[in-house]
Amino acid sequence: DGGITQSPKYLFRKEGQNVTLSCEQNLNHDAMYWYRQDPGQGLRLIYYSQIVNDFQKGDIAEGYSVSREKKESFPLTVTSAQKNPTAFYLCASSIPRGAAFFGQGTRLTVV
Amino acid sequence: GESVGLHLPTLSVQEGDNSIINCAYSNSASDYFIWYKQESGKGPQFIIDIRSNMDKRQGQRVTVLLNKTVKHLSLQIAATQPGDSAVYFCAENILRRLQGGSEKLVFGKGTKLTVNP
Repeated sequence: DGGITQSPKYLFRKEGQNVTLSCEQNLNHDAMYWYRQDPGQGLRLIYYSQIVNDFQKGDIAEGYSVSREKKESFPLTVTSAQKNPTAFYLCASSIPRGAAFFGQGTRLTVV
Repeated sequence: GESVGLHLPTLSVQEGDNSIINCAYSNSASDYFIWYKQESGKGPQFIIDIRSNMDKRQGQRVTVLLNKTVKHLSLQIAATQPGDSAVYFCAENILRRLQGGSEKLVFGKGTKLTVNP
């Protein structure tokens, strides 16, 4: 089936640790995005990539890093520099000038 | 600045009634708008979209209206059902022509729709 797969669904991180969230798509979409969602809030853009080996910062990139070595994959690393990482993270992909389609999200909790 | 906002954070309707969810946007460069439905603990689902060369688009039980003069977007759901209960987001796609044609999708805070049986 075509779609966007995020893993893991739940992730726990100790303070000071880096963690990487996976996002894979088999829709052959060029663009991929990472959003953060806090309770009762909208989606805020962390990073986006419109082509392999290129990505741009969104509105809240500090404390996060990404890579785009393959068209299908856009992993997000939450570094220890991110002071408040507990949130719901959503990955999406799209064709140019098209709607973004989302994965089912990863809920990250700092313990 | 760039922002997409909603007039009402919550909306409660009776089953069978029509629902109207509103959205205001501020970026005049936005030319593509999308409505999403998000159920608890899940990723947003695409509902319907509209481009700025249109003022109305209809889908199955849903209609999106775009008023570019006042930068307003609305989603109308006909004969609302309990399964329609969710948070609804509007999003605007901003094409940054001065930045190599990069696109940015900006979301509002969302409206929580509750359908009472």
